Amino acid sequence: GAGVSQSPRYKVAKRGQDVALRCDPISGHVSLFWYQQALGQGPEFLTYFQNEAQLDKSGLPSDRFFAERPEGSVSTLKIQRTQQEDSAVYLCASSPGGAGVGNEQFFGPGTRLTVL
Amino acid sequence: AQSVTQLGSHVSVSEGALVLLRCNYSSSVPPYLFWYVQYPNQGLQLLLKYTSAATLVKGINGFEAEFKKSETSFHLTKPSAHMSDAAEYFCAVSAQNTGGFKTIFGAGTRLFVKA
Repeated sequence: GAGVSQSPRYKVAKRGQDVALRCDPISGHVSLFWYQQALGQGPEFLTYFQNEAQLDKSGLPSDRFFAERPEGSVSTLKIQRTQQEDSAVYLCASSPGGAGVGNEQFFGPGTRLTVL
Repeated sequence: AQSVTQLGSHVSVSEGALVLLRCNYSSSVPPYLFWYVQYPNQGLQLLLKYTSAATLVKGINGFEAEFKKSETSFHLTKPSAHMSDAAEYFCAVSAQNTGGFKTIFGAGTRLFVKA
């Protein structure tokens, strides 16, 4: 398909486990964003990539969260030593241009993470 | 700093009635403003965006929004609600920070449409 895809769609982890969430953006999109959406809330910005460069990681809640996009396409969000408060839907979005032009973001369906 | 406030976490209208979802923003620089819709178990989809051109913005599915700088508002309207409009709606503001634009989303308004 031509849209943003994310995998897995659902992930259940035991507290303390490490998890890795994958995002496949739309081919050719320069910008990639990660958001965290808690139940009943709007998405909250985590981090932003322009190609392979992570230009903004100010939203990552702790040093347990790490994101990468080594070849400027697929991105992985890794959470180490998961805790219950990490339970949320993690959304990935991509955009054709740089983030500085108010471009539309195209969102994936999200990964619902539940930490027991 | 930028922020978005959506007034009303839930709005219920009858089919065929006017839809009005309220959004107020705060931004120290000229903002970009967006409305996104989220259907259950799906990602967000752009309805419309304001990028400093016309203050009345028309979007998909018959929705429109008016940018009012004096009121710092960007309310979303639709003249006649359809059952298929039932979803969660998010207002968002985008403004520059280090390295690019960060998008700030409101908490969302869930729209219910009654037959």
